[in-house]
Amino acid sequence: AQTVTQSQPEMSVQEAETVTLSCTYDTSESNYYLFWYKQPPSRQMILVIRQEAYKQQNATENRFSVNFQKAAKSFSLKISDSQLGDTAMYFCAFISEGGSQGNLIFGKGTKLSVKP
Amino acid sequence: KAGVTQTPRYLIKTRGQQVTLSCSPISGHRSVSWYQQTPGQGLQFLFEYFSETQRNKGNFPGRFSGRQFSNSRSEMNVSTLELGDSALYLCASSLAWGGQPQHFGDGTRLSIL
Repeated sequence: AQTVTQSQPEMSVQEAETVTLSCTYDTSESNYYLFWYKQPPSRQMILVIRQEAYKQQNATENRFSVNFQKAAKSFSLKISDSQLGDTAMYFCAFISEGGSQGNLIFGKGTKLSVKP
Repeated sequence: KAGVTQTPRYLIKTRGQQVTLSCSPISGHRSVSWYQQTPGQGLQFLFEYFSETQRNKGNFPGRFSGRQFSNSRSEMNVSTLELGDSALYLCASSLAWGGQPQHFGDGTRLSIL
C-alpha cells in the first residue's frame, strides 16, 4: 500500500526567508503524480504544485519549487521569500497514474507559520 | 470559471440521523471525488464518481454512499450518523476518471451532537 509521510508537524519561518517542507512516500508503482496542497484557515484545499514521476526536472511555480528525488522517494517543497499569506497547513499527496487508483493519498500535513 | 461548489457549508445533526451533502464540479469536469478530513485520521478518500458510476471506493462502512447525476453534480449521503462522523467533507473534481490535478471545494463541516 502506498503511504505518504510528512515528518514535520509544525514549522515557522520569518517573512521573506526560505523554508523547506519534507515529504517521503512509499510505492511500488513506477508512474505516479505528487502534489503539494495548501489549506489555509479558510479550509479550501489549494493546489500549490504538481510533479509527474516520469519527469526528471523539478517543478516550479513562482516562489514554490520542489526537490524530487525518485530513487529516494522524497518530494520536498521549498518556499522562497515567504509571505504572511503562506501561513497554512501544507499537505503532500500521491496518486498512481490511471483511473484504477483514482484517489489521492495524503500525508498528515505540516502547519507552517510565517512570522512578520 | 466557477470553482467547485459545496453546499451546505455547515451542518449540525444528531446521532442516528442521516445527511446529504452536495457538490457541483468545475464546469466541464466529469469526475468527482469525496474525502473526509478529521484531526485524528487526516484526509481519507471516500469514493470517486465518473459518468454517474462509482469508480473507486475507500475503506468506509456502507453507511457512506454517493451518487452522481448526468450533469456531473454529486451527492454523498451518510445514514445513521455517529459521533465519529463529525468531520470536514471535501469534494474535488477533475476532467476525467483518475484525472489530475483534482480541484477542491471549500468543504462541508458536519458536526454530530
